[in-house]
Amino acid sequence: AQKVTQAQTEISVVEKEDVTLDCVYETRDTTYYLFWYKQPPSGELVFLIRRNSFDEQNEISGRYSWNFQKSTSSFNFTITASQVVDSAVYFCALSEYDMRFGAGTRLTVKP
Amino acid sequence: DVKVTQSSRYLVKRTGEKVFLECVQDMDHENMFWYRQDPGLGLRLIYFSYDVKMKEKGDIPEGYSVSREKKERFSLILESASTNQTSMYLCASSGNRAGATYNEQFFGPGTRLTVL
Repeated sequence: AQKVTQAQTEISVVEKEDVTLDCVYETRDTTYYLFWYKQPPSGELVFLIRRNSFDEQNEISGRYSWNFQKSTSSFNFTITASQVVDSAVYFCALSEYDMRFGAGTRLTVKP
Repeated sequence: DVKVTQSSRYLVKRTGEKVFLECVQDMDHENMFWYRQDPGLGLRLIYFSYDVKMKEKGDIPEGYSVSREKKERFSLILESASTNQTSMYLCASSGNRAGATYNEQFFGPGTRLTVL
C-alpha cells in the first residue's frame, strides 16, 4: 500500500508566483519522520527538511516553508516568490523502519 | 561533505547478463540503500542494509541481490538482467545518530541502466 501520496504530478508556474506542493502520508506508527527532498536536473537528490511526528510547528527557511498537520496526515511544502532555480522534482518521504518516497512532483518555474 | 559515489552514470547491458552496480560512501555511515526511480512511481526501495553483511528486502527485491562486505560499499546485483529492469538506480546512505529512522539520506548521482 502506498504510504506517501503526492497527488500533483506536475506543476508549472511563472517566476515570483507562490506554489504549494502537497504531501499526504499514511502510517500506524506514533513515532515517525517526514522529509522533503529536491532532485534538480543534475539528478542527485538533496535533503531539504526533516520533521518528527511530535513536532507540528510550521517551519520557514528563507522562501521555503512547511506545514505539518497530523490531523490530516499532511506535510505540505510552499515556495514563496518562486525562481527558475526552483525547477526540480520534489519528493516527500516517510521514515518509519525504512524510508518510503512519494511519486514526486515536477515543478517548472518559467521566467 | 558526505560523498556517495556510484560506479557508472550510464550503463548498457544485454538481456541475461549479470550486472553489478557499485556504491561507495565516505562518511562511515551504517545504513545504505538501493532504489530504482521510474517516471510516475517515484523511488522504490529494492534492498537496504543496516550493517556489514546484513541485508533486508525492500518493496521490490525480485530479480536483485545485494552484497555488503565492507561498511563503505554496497553492491546491487542483477543476476540475469531483463528489459523491465531498465531504470535509474540510486544509492543512498545515512548515519545512525538518534536512530536509523531519524537520519536524512545522502544520495549518489544515480546510474541509468538500459537493458537491451
